[in-house]
Amino acid sequence: ETGVTQTPRHLVMGMTNKKSLKCEQHLGHNAMYWYKQSAKKPLELMFVYNFKEQTENNSVPSRFSPECPNSSHLFLHLHTLQPEDSALYLCASSQDSGVEAFFGQGTRLTVV
Amino acid sequence: AQSVTQLGSHVSVSEGALVLLRCNYSSSVPPYLFWYVQYPNQGLQLLLKYTTGATLVKGINGFEAEFKKSETSFHLTKPSAHMSDAAEYFCAVSDRLNTGTASKLTFGTGTRLQVTL
Repeated sequence: ETGVTQTPRHLVMGMTNKKSLKCEQHLGHNAMYWYKQSAKKPLELMFVYNFKEQTENNSVPSRFSPECPNSSHLFLHLHTLQPEDSALYLCASSQDSGVEAFFGQGTRLTVV
Repeated sequence: AQSVTQLGSHVSVSEGALVLLRCNYSSSVPPYLFWYVQYPNQGLQLLLKYTTGATLVKGINGFEAEFKKSETSFHLTKPSAHMSDAAEYFCAVSDRLNTGTASKLTFGTGTRLQVTL
């Protein structure tokens, strides 16, 4: 595997469920990101991790809980979500010496 | 704070015609600028980037963009559209200031390109 891999690709969950999204990057990058892509809205940066440390949380509700155990893996733990949280969740990574981010294919989340 | 404005949420061109997707940005620091493409049910793929140096940058699939500081623009062009170019295109600006910090991208709202026969 190369690049940034996200699992699962699709997820349907009830509002009382707990689930996790997983992201793994095989690029040797130091920084990882979660973005939310909703219809008719710009991509929203949710969290930034650099060298496993969270460096940014863009006022994301606590029902979204990120975890970065190492520079290659990033998780987004979900609990008691709302229907408006339905979106495409994109993971990305970048090298600290570079500027561009490389994206995974995303997880399409539907909250019912 | 940085921002990106993409004029036109939908653009339709005929196959073989010129593609022009517009992007204007605002940035308090010298910008790093990007164009990404997203095909249905896929993530974002980098088309091209401007960091420093030559203001006309070439990317994949025959696309290019020109950084014009005086106009705060970074429009994306392709001389001849192909059916396979139909996708959503996102312009982005980075506010990374220093090596060792994470690169945070601010995206525009995207432009959906339709290519017709």
